[in-house]
Amino acid sequence: DQQVKQNSPSLSVQEGRISILNCDYTNSMFDYFLWYKKYPAEGPTFLISISSIKDKNEDGRFTVFLNKSAKHLSLHIVPSQPGDSAVYFCAASGSSNTGKLIFGQGTTLQVKP
Amino acid sequence: DGGITQSPKYLFRKEGQNVTLSCEQNLNHDAMYWYRQDPGQGLRLIYYSQIVNDFQKGDIAEGYSVSREKKESFPLTVTSAQKNPTAFYLCASRRGGRSYNEQFFGPGTRLTVL
Repeated sequence: DQQVKQNSPSLSVQEGRISILNCDYTNSMFDYFLWYKKYPAEGPTFLISISSIKDKNEDGRFTVFLNKSAKHLSLHIVPSQPGDSAVYFCAASGSSNTGKLIFGQGTTLQVKP
Repeated sequence: DGGITQSPKYLFRKEGQNVTLSCEQNLNHDAMYWYRQDPGQGLRLIYYSQIVNDFQKGDIAEGYSVSREKKESFPLTVTSAQKNPTAFYLCASRRGGRSYNEQFFGPGTRLTVL
């Protein structure tokens, strides 16, 4: 039972345009969400997070939007750069005590020059 | 520099052998985690530890064992009971406590069982 789903395995955008990566979840107990970026054969690096009391969080070129009623979150990257090409994972947590994360399958983003 | 180290980067073992993957952090984090990544899949939690001398099973703990004798170290043993051990293994740590904060990941170990 996949509690966190990234339904698009891949996404290709032109440099300078907006990249939108989507993530859906099923567990209404999740109240903290994160996005990680991962290059091949490396560990994921944290990008941005959002708690369920907010619907938007912004950090430079990266913005995460949360729609609790739809159980959906999205990561916007504007403008997209070739160095953004990587696999992006969304993750969700419902326990601040353990910090356990449930990850989506990942979306491979390719930004073309 | 503070961070998480995993060694070795690549590891080859024969089927039926136990193998231990190293994970060390100097971030003074309380919580540590082990994940497994398979092609086309997200990260799946194997074991986690919130304090020294205590750890809990994650979603796919069968065939694995861990120890947490020191705050800095959280080694993972892949036993011969693990049916499909070939994978990319990632260790992470977190500040811990009753607040949300992100996990920091090590560079990973690619284990191949021949």
